[in-house]
Amino acid sequence: EVQLLESGGGLVQPGGSLRLSCAASGFTFSSYAMSWVRQAPGKGLEWVSTISSSGGNTHSADSVKGRFTISRDSSKNTLYLQMNSLRVEDTAVYFCAKARVSVEYSSSSDYWGQGTLVIVSS
Amino acid sequence: DIVMTQSPDSLAVSLGERATINCKSSQSVLYRSDNKNYLAWYQQKPGQPPKLLIYWASTRESGVPDRFSGSGSGTDFTLTISSLQAEDVAVYYCQQYYGDLHTFGQGTKLEIK
Repeated sequence: EVQLLESGGGLVQPGGSLRLSCAASGFTFSSYAMSWVRQAPGKGLEWVSTISSSGGNTHSADSVKGRFTISRDSSKNTLYLQMNSLRVEDTAVYFCAKARVSVEYSSSSDYWGQGTLVIVSS
Repeated sequence: DIVMTQSPDSLAVSLGERATINCKSSQSVLYRSDNKNYLAWYQQKPGQPPKLLIYWASTRESGVPDRFSGSGSGTDFTLTISSLQAEDVAVYYCQQYYGDLHTFGQGTKLEIK
């Protein structure tokens, strides 16, 4: 059974940093691209970042570019999102999601975690 | 960046009736080399993560009821629920995965009339 478990969320002051983790199980982690998607309270989904199966190809939304870094450790079956220079508008639930198609960067996401809440506030 | 625009923002439909949600991309998401539209539809219920309904614009994910269908090509897409059930109340999102940035539409809230 595919499972994705996010952790690392919490309350942080503006300008601070946080690292989110997503522990994956039930599939061959190294074969699938992975993504982070966020949802501000009462708002819609916003794609944040995707990393290829090898980790060699990453892209991020303009709203987080230069501040957030996606990475993965296949030896630990874990996806990360390093978030620096956090802003109030980064407050959201952050979901990790697995690509539906193995190897391909361009894929829909078929499994999602339950999300971890990040609150940026002074 | 590809901008995805859904319409309407909200929709109220009677039980058993058809619900139609539209999604328009700012540029084509049809990849000529494989003739596939890089467009997915998701359903999200309160307090839950999104659930994949449709990928490649018209392919139903395993386990999704056949009352859900997707259509369209290029820049214009539609999600149709043929006979609305109470459990279909949710917010629906389209997402393109053609470009490097996999953008979502703003969402359409579907309610019972």
